[in-house]
Amino acid sequence: DSGVTQTPKHLITATGQRVTLRCSPRSGDLSVYWYQQSLDQGLQFLIQYYNGEERAKGNILERFSAQQFPDLHSELNLSSLELGDSALYFCASSVGAGSNEQYFGPGTRLTVT
Amino acid sequence: GDSVTQMEGPVTLSEEAFLTINCTYTATGYPSLFWYVQYPGEGLQLLLKATKADDKGSNKGFEATYRKETTSFHLEKGSVQVSDSAVYFCALTTSGTYKYIFGTGTRLKVLA
Repeated sequence: DSGVTQTPKHLITATGQRVTLRCSPRSGDLSVYWYQQSLDQGLQFLIQYYNGEERAKGNILERFSAQQFPDLHSELNLSSLELGDSALYFCASSVGAGSNEQYFGPGTRLTVT
Repeated sequence: GDSVTQMEGPVTLSEEAFLTINCTYTATGYPSLFWYVQYPGEGLQLLLKATKADDKGSNKGFEATYRKETTSFHLEKGSVQVSDSAVYFCALTTSGTYKYIFGTGTRLKVLA
């Protein structure tokens, strides 16, 4: 158990809908990272927050957004969902903002039908 | 830009065989290098890391040495077990940036 929690574990929704994925980092970690893992594109970094502020952006679509709250939990919002958004979404956390090891949550499996 | 290249999988070995999974990188600056492992149905777990040239990371019988001259960080294990079956990811991050860059992952299957 990494100490990172993600909810829900599974999510099934229809195209065009909007969903919110939630992540609680390990106690004491200030950074949260979001990743998308799909069969065809592997593990893609989406976005990082550090102590409430956006720190780095990766291959995140404009339909996706995220935020980190004062209690350090984070939410990833996915809107206007398409079939291709079906994937595993992982959250990870680390102590600092830089070159630290990341601790991954168990992931949320999103299925868009 | 920075990148990580891993050998294609799957790699299929018999129990007690020697394992090598190749990883090479391209980076500006001085990256830290990591190996993560993903067991079926789980998130990624840090396996080992090295933060400077010639450092050797090791854990659970796995080793990898940071080779700056060949820009490589190959993962090795002397005797694999069925329980090592998983997907292995090589990754890097460079100081001053906040992005982790992962390789595509290499699936390892160990047969009894």
